[in-house]
Amino acid sequence: EIVLTQSPGTLSLSPGERATLSCRASQTVSSSHLVWYQQKVGQSPRLLIYGAANRATGIPDRFSGSGSGTDFTLTISRLEPEDFAVYYCQQYSNSPWTFGQGTKVEIK
Amino acid sequence: QSQLQESGPGVVKPSETLSLTCTVSGGSITSDAYYWGWVRQPPGKGLEWIGGVYFSGNTYYSPSLRSRLNISVDTSKNQFSLNLTSVTAADTAVYYCARHNRFKGTAIDSWGQGSLVTVSS
Repeated sequence: EIVLTQSPGTLSLSPGERATLSCRASQTVSSSHLVWYQQKVGQSPRLLIYGAANRATGIPDRFSGSGSGTDFTLTISRLEPEDFAVYYCQQYSNSPWTFGQGTKVEIK
Repeated sequence: QSQLQESGPGVVKPSETLSLTCTVSGGSITSDAYYWGWVRQPPGKGLEWIGGVYFSGNTYYSPSLRSRLNISVDTSKNQFSLNLTSVTAADTAVYYCARHNRFKGTAIDSWGQGSLVTVSS
């Protein structure tokens, strides 16, 4: 089973700042099968990034994904008030299709 | 864009079977572009992948739940279902049904609103 470790656990930032979230895999993950989701309190998750770097439909360009192998990054270039949420990475490279434990982006 | 809606009991007794159904609207469950799956989230915790099914009936399960899990599809009703046997308090969670898009690296591009299932006597 591929273990995904997200860091940091919590990121305290102000609106307008840049957020950098990490997702590290215990073994190589195909870039085609690494995704990022956003989840706000009381809501279902929402797809942000698929294939490590492709924005999903309707996702603003302040969100970007990068990485390969075992290290992947989600970057939010300038935080908007609606971006404060929990972010999860997930891999579909090998079954079981595991999630990271999440990174909470909170208002500083 | 497909919409997904979970249905089923909100409370299940320990040792009994948790059963949920997901109804897909706005698209056919037989589309070869999609897999149909389940994800759960215990209160205050992260997401856990459970498993899923292709319209042909092929299934894929989390190893940790495999011995208790059955996921099936009913193409005539445009629905798929989850059955989890011998539940305990550890199975208390919000259960989401989900659409995996094969052309987006199997990413979940559509989620149900979630159904809270509490295991309690």
